[in-house]
Amino acid sequence: NAGVTQTPKFQVLKTGQSMTLQCAQDMNHEYMSWYRQDPGMGLRLIHYSVGAGITDQGEVPNGYNVSRSTTEDFPLRLLSAAPSQTSVYFCASRLWEASGYTFGSGTRLTVV
Amino acid sequence: DAKTTQPPSMDCAEGRAANLPCNHSTISGNEYVYWYRQIHSQGPQYIIHGLKNNETNEMASLIITEDRKSSTLILPHATLRDTAVYYCIVRVASGTYKYIFGTGTRLKVLA
Repeated sequence: NAGVTQTPKFQVLKTGQSMTLQCAQDMNHEYMSWYRQDPGMGLRLIHYSVGAGITDQGEVPNGYNVSRSTTEDFPLRLLSAAPSQTSVYFCASRLWEASGYTFGSGTRLTVV
Repeated sequence: DAKTTQPPSMDCAEGRAANLPCNHSTISGNEYVYWYRQIHSQGPQYIIHGLKNNETNEMASLIITEDRKSSTLILPHATLRDTAVYYCIVRVASGTYKYIFGTGTRLKVLA
């Protein structure tokens, strides 16, 4: 049981490049979310999903796309990377509406 | 949306109880209070949650006031490893299933 697995752990992108941050969980959790955390700040919700095929926007969705084709995977796509997207990205999942989230270890992204 | 207010920082002596307050005066009747912590740059760790009653688990206790407008997370015997940022979160209502993290309380446990 690996929990929530995020890849890659570190990434450097050039402005304008696109990439996909991977997130997978093996706990059969329905709810999954993506957060970003900028230095010295709390976590801000980017996108979330309440089940396969269902996604919605969070606080800061611009510049990001998500899809949820399976219960296990919830990839986050950066369409055209900008320096403002330099951040640490966390994926999280939970079993049902009222349960606590399990977080991944994060992806540290730098856009130059 | 329910909003939470936490002090930005607190200190606690090692071995003593750490009491972390959270104000959530606009909480709705069906919203839960959750607590997480984040050590250094690691992913946040779930601690505990509750709706109305006080809750206890192996990590901490959660005390919610009768009017539910505030709560306190209690770490009964703080250790140096409890030094972290602690987040109090109220689950947003209206079926949106969103989780909004604030800036939390930076707890420093002192030797």
